[in-house]
Formats: sequence, structure tokens, C-alpha cells
Amino acid sequence: QQQVKQSPQSLIVQKGGISIINCAYENTAFDYFPWYQQFPGKGPALLIAIRPDVSEKKEGRFTISFNKSAKQFSLHIMDSQPGDSATYFCAGTYSGYSTLTFGKGTMLLVSP
Amino acid sequence: NAGVTQTPKFQVLKTGQSMTLQCAQDMNHEYMSWYRQDPGMGLRLIHYSVGAGITDQGEVPNGYNVSRSTTEDFPLRLLSAAPSQTSVYFCASTPGQGIYGYTFGSGTRLTVV
Repeated sequence: QQQVKQSPQSLIVQKGGISIINCAYENTAFDYFPWYQQFPGKGPALLIAIRPDVSEKKEGRFTISFNKSAKQFSLHIMDSQPGDSATYFCAGTYSGYSTLTFGKGTMLLVSP
Repeated sequence: NAGVTQTPKFQVLKTGQSMTLQCAQDMNHEYMSWYRQDPGMGLRLIHYSVGAGITDQGEVPNGYNVSRSTTEDFPLRLLSAAPSQTSVYFCASTPGQGIYGYTFGSGTRLTVV
């Protein structure tokens, strides 16, 4: 079964610090890796995504690092802010497939 | 407002009751999915559809039925609710296969007593 393993389950970071969430995937056919952000009472929203032909993608304070040989990718949140407190999900899929396989999520709390 | 609309937002059912969770999107997306979210389990796929008249099972389909008669609507039916179906349900849509972002609804919180 396709799996995406995500760690840690929860994370507490001080304001201004770096938050790091890691994911590992098994299906080598995956060629699209999005991250979703979910606030309490809301649905997940696409945050940032990467294709395996690049090793890093940056959008503002959010960066995805991708290691194809290790089948791992991670989300880095620089200068973390209390407003970043949310649950983050990594996911994987491939171009010929119509659904996403999600990790189990990481609950991030950024303390003031 | 363009997006995915789910109704109701909250529902309490008694064991054995049936109900339909509604999902509608106005973005003309071909692909739609239903996920359930449980603590520590992430988002698990229940059923999905790649177009009107076409549906398929996901990871956890037991106890749920779907149909897709129009591009816009993708209802999820619980035929005989069980306490194990207590969860938050999300509907999502995307214009194409895999490499496009999914748009999620705001969810339906279902409690089965």
C-alpha cells in the first residue's frame, strides 16, 4: 500500500525559530509532493508543492527540501510566527493518478 | 464564492440511521474526493470520482456509498451509521490528475451515538 510517513506528530517552536517537518514516501512513481496547512475548524489548504526534478523550492518563509535518492522531503518554516500554528500535512501523488496519499499530519504550535 | 461547499457543518446521528453528506463545487472540476479525518490518522480517502458517472473506492470505503450524476455534486451516503463513522469529513476537488492542487471544503463534523 502506498504510504507517506510524517514526523513529528507535534512540534512546539518559539516565535522566530525554524520549524521542520519531515516526510518519507515509498512509491517511487510519485512525482508531485504538496504540503497542506489546516487551521482548526477549516479544511486543508495547499501551501506549497514540489516536483522531484528540483531539490528545493522556496515561497516566502516556506521551503521544501527534496531528496530523491532517500525518498524524503521536508518543510522548513523560517521565522515561525504564532499565525503559523496549524496542522501540516505532506502528501504524494503521480501525474497519472487522481488522488493524494497523505501523511498523518503534524500539529505545530508557535509560542509567542 | 467559488469553491467547495459542504453541508451540513455538524450532524449527530443515532446508530443505524442513514444520512447524506452534500458536496458541491462550482469550479467545473472533473475530479472529486471524499476524505475522513480522525485524530492521529491523517486524511484517509473514502471514495473518489474522475467525472460524472464514474466513481471508485479509496482506502476506507466500507459503510459509505457515492454517486456522481453531475460534475458539480458528489454526495456521500451513510446507509446505517455506526459509532466508528464518527469523524470529520472533507470533500475536495481538482481540475486534473495528481499534479494540481486540491480545493477542500470546510468539512462536516459527524457524531454517531
